[in-house]
Amino acid sequence: SAVISQKPSRDICQRGTSLTIQCQVDSQVTMMFWYRQQPGQSLTLIATANQGSEATYESGFVIDKFPISRPNLTFSTLTVSNMSPEDSSIYLCSVSTGANVLTFGAGSRLTVL
Amino acid sequence: EDQVTQSPEALRLQEGESSSLNCSYTVSGLRGLFWYRQDPGKGPEFLFTLYSAGEEKEKERLKATLTKKESFLHITAPKPEDSATYLCAVQAEEYGNKLVFGAGTILRVKS
Repeated sequence: SAVISQKPSRDICQRGTSLTIQCQVDSQVTMMFWYRQQPGQSLTLIATANQGSEATYESGFVIDKFPISRPNLTFSTLTVSNMSPEDSSIYLCSVSTGANVLTFGAGSRLTVL
Repeated sequence: EDQVTQSPEALRLQEGESSSLNCSYTVSGLRGLFWYRQDPGKGPEFLFTLYSAGEEKEKERLKATLTKKESFLHITAPKPEDSATYLCAVQAEEYGNKLVFGAGTILRVKS
C-alpha cells in the first residue's frame, strides 16, 4: 500500500495568517483527498485533488479558504487561509489504494490562536 | 441528520472483557461499509470492508458484521494494544465514490 508523508505534523498559528500543508505519496496516484478531523466530530472530506485539473470541493468548503495544488501525481498541498480559531483541527491527506480503501497520512494538527 | 452514527462514543473494557461497537447508517444504496482504526497522532488504518448484509470479516480479535441498517465490530478478549479510536464509514450511491464517516468510538482496554 502507499506510504504518505505529511508536513508539518503540527503547528500553532496566529489568527489571520495562512498555513500550507504538504502531502507526498511514494507512488503515483490519480486522486488525492483532503480531510478535516475536528475534535469529537466525523472525518469530513474537504476536496478531491486530481493532477492537472481544479480540485473538487465538498459542500461547505471553498477554494478561497482552502486552495489546493496538485502539480504532479505524487504531491499535493492544502492551504488554510486567513485562519480563525474555528480552523483548529487535524488535516489529513489520503489516497485510494484499490477497492475504495483509503490510506491516510499521519495528519497535520493545526492550532489557531 | 447524521447518516452514520457510532455508539458508544467511548468504551472502557478490562483486558479480556469482550464487547461490541455499533455503526448504524441511514444511507440508501449501500456500496460498502468500512472499518478503520486510528491511534493517537496517526491517520486512520484500514481494517475491513463489508459489502452486503450477512457478510462477516475477521482479523485477530476483531470481527465485523453487517446488516441492512448497521454494522458491529466485535472485540473478543481485548488486549491493551487494541486501545484506539474505531471509525466506520459508508460508501453509497447517493454520495458517489465519497466515504461518509461516523464520529468514532474511543476504546480503552485496561490491564
